[in-house]
Amino acid sequence: QKEVEQDPGPLSVPEGAIVSLNCTYSNSAFQYFMWYRQYSRKGPELLMYTYSSGNKEDGRFTAQVDKSSKYISLFIRDSQPSDSATYLCAMSARGNTPLVFGKGTRLSVIA
Amino acid sequence: DAMVIQNPRYQVTQFGKPVTLSCSQTLNHNVMYWYQQKSSQAPKLLFHYYDKDFNNEADTPDNFQSRRPNTSFCFLDIRSPGLGDAAMYLCATSQSRVDEQYFGPGTRLTVT
Repeated sequence: QKEVEQDPGPLSVPEGAIVSLNCTYSNSAFQYFMWYRQYSRKGPELLMYTYSSGNKEDGRFTAQVDKSSKYISLFIRDSQPSDSATYLCAMSARGNTPLVFGKGTRLSVIA
Repeated sequence: DAMVIQNPRYQVTQFGKPVTLSCSQTLNHNVMYWYQQKSSQAPKLLFHYYDKDFNNEADTPDNFQSRRPNTSFCFLDIRSPGLGDAAMYLCATSQSRVDEQYFGPGTRLTVT
C-alpha cells in the first residue's frame, strides 16, 4: 500500500460547481498536510497548509483533515476555468521527514 | 517579492554530457530541496540540504549530485544524463523540514 493515495482523475466539472478532491494515507504519524496546485509545465504552488485535524478556509478553498480516517479533502467552491490544473496533496510527520506527495488529480473546469 | 528562481527554464543536453541546473532563493530559508517530476507523476525527492547538511534519498542514483555554496544558491549536477533523466526538475525551499515548501517554476530537461 502506498503511503499516500490520490485519484489521478481526470475530473471534469462545469463552471460554478463545487469540487471535492481527496487523498488517503496510511502513515498515522503524518501531522502536516498541504495542498498544491500545479499548472501545466509550472512548479507547484502552495494553496493550503494545515496542521493535525480540522478545517481551514481561504476564500473559495476549504481544506479538511480527518486523522481518524486518514483522509484529507480540498473543496473548491464556485469553480472557475482558471482552477483547471493538477492538485497535489502532500504531508509529513514530525521531525526530520520530508514531504510525501500524492500523484495529483487533474481537474478541468468547463466554461 | 520573495521567491524561488530556477535557471534555465528549459535545458537540452546530449546523452552523457554533464549538465548543471541552478536554483536561488530570496526567502532566506534553511532547507533547499531538489525534486524530479516526470509526466503525470508526483514529484520525487532526490535530496535536500538543511543549511549545509546534505541529505540524500536512498534511491537517488549516484549520477545526481548537488552543491549548496551558500544559503541562497543550490545546484543540481547530472554527471552523465541518460534518456530516462528527461524530466522537470523542481527546486523548493522551506524554513524547516516540516514547514510548507515553496517551489520554483522548474527546469524542463530534455536529453537527446
